[in-house]
Amino acid sequence: DQQVKQNSPSLSVQEGRISILNCDYTNSMFDYFLWYKKYPAEGPTFLISISSIKDKNEDGRFTVFLNKSAKHLSLHIVPSQPGDSAVYFCAARDYNQGGKLIFGQGTELSVKP
Amino acid sequence: GVTQSPTHLIKTRGQQVTLRCSSQSGHNTVSWYQQALGQGPQFIFQYYREEENGRGNFPPRFSGLQFPNDSSELNVNALELDDSALYLCASSLDRVSYNEQFFGPGTRLTVL
Repeated sequence: DQQVKQNSPSLSVQEGRISILNCDYTNSMFDYFLWYKKYPAEGPTFLISISSIKDKNEDGRFTVFLNKSAKHLSLHIVPSQPGDSAVYFCAARDYNQGGKLIFGQGTELSVKP
Repeated sequence: GVTQSPTHLIKTRGQQVTLRCSSQSGHNTVSWYQQALGQGPQFIFQYYREEENGRGNFPPRFSGLQFPNDSSELNVNALELDDSALYLCASSLDRVSYNEQFFGPGTRLTVL
């Protein structure tokens, strides 16, 4: 039972363009959503988050959009840079389950110069 | 930051393994995750002030300990081939500081 899904295993984007990473979820009890970035041989690093009561959160080049009716969130990176190449995980928190994070499968982003 | 040891480990089926994590100083919550190849991290359990505070869908042969000195352990008994994965620990200031969950680099466990 995959409660958080990232249906695109990989994405390739040209430097300077927009990268859009998508994530779908099924549990309406999730109250917080997060994006993590992971380089090889390193642990995931927190990138940006959004509360379920908001529909947008922006931090520099990164913006996360939440569509609760569609149970869908997306991460926009503008402009994309080669250093953004990594695996991106979306994660969701179910407060009723002790705050544990449930991760999607990840999307590998490749930004080409 | 958060450190984990060892980096890599090879065990055979049926053996027992202990993985170690050193949390960021002052963090009282540690969570453990299993990341299989091509998958996202899966929550194993969380420890808060040395007591288990939430558990995922993992059997009892997965157990943990948290010590007052910012260190913790993940123990796995009766290893199975499917236990081969990257094991990540993450520490945070408290149980609900999900934004500030700092992950270690992980321990790669291979079970033969």
